Amino acid sequence: DQQVKQNSPSLSVQEGRISILNCDYTNSMFDYFLWYKKYPAEGPTFLISISSIKDKNEDGRFTVFLNKSAKHLSLHIVPSQPGDSAVYFCAASVYGGTSYGKLTFGQGTILTVHP
Amino acid sequence: GAVVSQHPSRVICKSGTSVKIECRSLDFQATTMFWYRQFPKQSLMLMATSNEGSKATYEQGVEKDKFLINHASLTLSTLTVTSAHPEDSSFYICSAGGQVMNTEAFFGQGTRLTVV
Repeated sequence: DQQVKQNSPSLSVQEGRISILNCDYTNSMFDYFLWYKKYPAEGPTFLISISSIKDKNEDGRFTVFLNKSAKHLSLHIVPSQPGDSAVYFCAASVYGGTSYGKLTFGQGTILTVHP
Repeated sequence: GAVVSQHPSRVICKSGTSVKIECRSLDFQATTMFWYRQFPKQSLMLMATSNEGSKATYEQGVEKDKFLINHASLTLSTLTVTSAHPEDSSFYICSAGGQVMNTEAFFGQGTRLTVV
């Protein structure tokens, strides 16, 4: 049972354009969502997160949008740069309590930004 | 940000032997750490929650006798793959932070295990 889904295995974008990565979840208990960037043979690197009490969080070129009613979130990267090329994982957790820090990951989306 | 160090980054072992992977939180104390496994081109799957001073909590389908977890101090958790077989070959990653620091979880560099 895949509770967090990233339905696009890959995305190709031109440098300077916007990259939009999507993620859907099914478990309504999730209330904290994160995006991680990962290179092969390395651990994930945290990018940005959002709590379910918000619908948008912005950090520099990265913005995460959350639509709770649709159980959908997206990561926008503007402008995209070749150095952004990596695998992006969406993750979800239950904020606070004993489950905090325990993440459920999506399958990942390979982003390729062309110069 | 907080640093989580994982060692070794790569290990090759023979079938039937055991391999120990270490996960250290370098600048904070972690009462809870998490161990994940990633198969090629797949997601990171949580294997177990490592609890300092008590037994680990394993996810469904993960054999606790095969994947031994020891969290003997607030900065160190170890995962031992016992009697390793080729199907155990995978990328193992630990994380810490989150619950303790009330922030996002930080991940180690990962360990590529190859069983031959």
